[in-house]
Amino acid sequence: AQSVTQLGSHVSVSEGALVLLRCNYSSSVPPYLFWYVQYPNQGLQLLLKYTSAATLVKGINGFEAEFKKSETSFHLTKPSAHMSDAAEYFCAVSGLEDGGSQGNLIFGKGTKLSVKP
Amino acid sequence: ETGVTQTPRHLVMGMTNKKSLKCEQHLGHNAMYWYKQSAKKPLELMFVYNFKEQTENNSVPSRFSPECPNSSHLFLHLHTLQPEDSALYLCASSQVQASESTDTQYFGPGTRLTVL
Repeated sequence: AQSVTQLGSHVSVSEGALVLLRCNYSSSVPPYLFWYVQYPNQGLQLLLKYTSAATLVKGINGFEAEFKKSETSFHLTKPSAHMSDAAEYFCAVSGLEDGGSQGNLIFGKGTKLSVKP
Repeated sequence: ETGVTQTPRHLVMGMTNKKSLKCEQHLGHNAMYWYKQSAKKPLELMFVYNFKEQTENNSVPSRFSPECPNSSHLFLHLHTLQPEDSALYLCASSQVQASESTDTQYFGPGTRLTVL
């Protein structure tokens, strides 16, 4: 079965510092991977997704993620954090494993990002 | 604004009440989803509708009853809920392709449900 592990339920960085949010996945089929962001009192918004094209994926708001098959990872990065980046970030995997349903997403537990002035 | 709206945004109900959550998508998608988001737990997929047909029910208690009258609307009927059902209920929609599994899900803002 597919699964996602996000290391660190809470990450704190200073404004202007590098943001690194970790995501590792497990999948028996080529995965499709997503990062979503959730601001307080809002739903989830897609940041970026990997669909087996380029391994380095660029998303909105200056975020990017790199798919590394050998490490089964899809970490999210941003070179310079901004106060407005404070939110919760979710990694998700999708793929047609045996018994799985097309389009269903498996989410990690989320990582809450705090940005200090 | 993602094109998926949910009403109400907040709901407080007693354990004996009956209420319904509504979701509407304006994106022309053919699949809709209900998720439950509880504190310190991953998002839990509850129900999936593809082309208005329920294709997934992840062992959800019968006190939750979904309804999908058309491809743009999705309801979640609630009755005799328990306090542990208090959570954020998120609706999402996507366009499921015939042979692809890369469809992006677009989420609504959620309904914050409190069961007293």
